[in-house]
Amino acid sequence: GENVEQHPSTLSVQEGDSAVIKCTYSDSASNYFPWYKQELGKGPQLIIDIRSNVGEKKDQRIAVTLNKTAKHFSLHITETQPEDSAVYFCAASTNAGGTSYGKLTFGQGTILTVHP
Amino acid sequence: DTAVSQTPKYLVTQMGNDKSIKCEQNLGHDTMYWYKQDSKKFLKIMFSYNNKELIINETVPNRFSPKSPDKAHLNLHINSLELGDSAVYFCASSQGGQVETQYFGPGTRLLVL
Repeated sequence: GENVEQHPSTLSVQEGDSAVIKCTYSDSASNYFPWYKQELGKGPQLIIDIRSNVGEKKDQRIAVTLNKTAKHFSLHITETQPEDSAVYFCAASTNAGGTSYGKLTFGQGTILTVHP
Repeated sequence: DTAVSQTPKYLVTQMGNDKSIKCEQNLGHDTMYWYKQDSKKFLKIMFSYNNKELIINETVPNRFSPKSPDKAHLNLHINSLELGDSAVYFCASSQGGQVETQYFGPGTRLLVL
């Protein structure tokens, strides 16, 4: 099955700096890669996603890049703010058991702390 | 308005008890999921239903039984609770298909004593 590795496990930056989180996946058939932000006591919330036919996607201060050949994708957050502090998860979606339905496999999570 | 809601938010119970967690989505989605998040924050899928039909059933003890009375609801019943069942359980929903965004509920924090 799919295996997603996420690094680093913790990331501490100063306000205004950039933060980069990297993920690798094992199943070349994966074709959808979302990133979720989880704040304390809440459920994961989608912040950006990318599909396998796209190499890069940007939404204001957040960008995601995908390298299908190397099977890795990254989240870039620029001009970080204290409210960006949270746990970030990458995920990869593969077909579940021969069906057309997606099964998300998550990375281990990155605790991002932005110091004012 | 809450898109994906779960009840209860907190659940504290004794080993050996049976408990249920309820989930409802008002997004009109066809597919619903249950995830377990352990103490190390690792998120792992347990079950997925599409239009009341079981799609994904990961390696989960058969003490866990999902039930989908209609496509807007997916409940999770747990028999004979064990200490290791303590975790946060998240319900999620999507329109269906492989590349559809999944929307998560706020979670149910289960503590088994």
